[in-house]
Amino acid sequence: ETGVTQTPRHLVMGMTNKKSLKCEQHLGHNAMYWYKQSAKKPLELMFVYNFKEQTENNSVPSRFSPECPNSSHLFLHLHTLQPEDSALYLCASSQDEADHKQQFFGPGTRLTVL
Amino acid sequence: AQKVTQAQTEISVVEKEDVTLDCVYETRDTTYYLFWYKQPPSGELVFLIRRNSFDEQNEISGRYSWNFQKSTSSFNFTITASQVVDSAVYFCALSEVYNQGGKLIFGQGTELSVKP
Repeated sequence: ETGVTQTPRHLVMGMTNKKSLKCEQHLGHNAMYWYKQSAKKPLELMFVYNFKEQTENNSVPSRFSPECPNSSHLFLHLHTLQPEDSALYLCASSQDEADHKQQFFGPGTRLTVL
Repeated sequence: AQKVTQAQTEISVVEKEDVTLDCVYETRDTTYYLFWYKQPPSGELVFLIRRNSFDEQNEISGRYSWNFQKSTSSFNFTITASQVVDSAVYFCALSEVYNQGGKLIFGQGTELSVKP
């Protein structure tokens, strides 16, 4: 079974829509991450959860709202997005936020905001 | 400030050529980790290697090798006898132990195209 899964893989939404991205990890990890990957830019860390607690919010606009109900699931709720929010959103997990071991990534959700 | 620079935006080679992807980093931490990830067209980043700042030994894994030099703050990645399946975007990343608590700081990536 794939370690980190993300749904949907592709999403097109209008600026007034509300949608959610889902991430699930089957690796028994305790830390989960959301990244944004825009064209020609480095991956940008958005949020970090460690043992279900948010430990990092990298100055992300409030139109992005994360939720981590348990260590295996991570959501990113989207509302009133802007066209510049179109990007690949990647979820990752690792054993623990501070152990510096590798993060395992999902395939991403390709988001297009019209 | 911490930073990772991959100066090569795109590289194109012909199959069987050797290719080196450069990575230069900046950090004030004395203890840190360096990573390489591969992102094929499917999108997910695939872990390739992790190296800690106290281990400067070069590493070889099949056709892949890594050259870590603290004196020049570089962690370069070489693919020997490249293959079409090596075509992907490759990211170098830095994780500081004390200053950033483990966050990965990524370079901008190098897009490698291997032509048959």
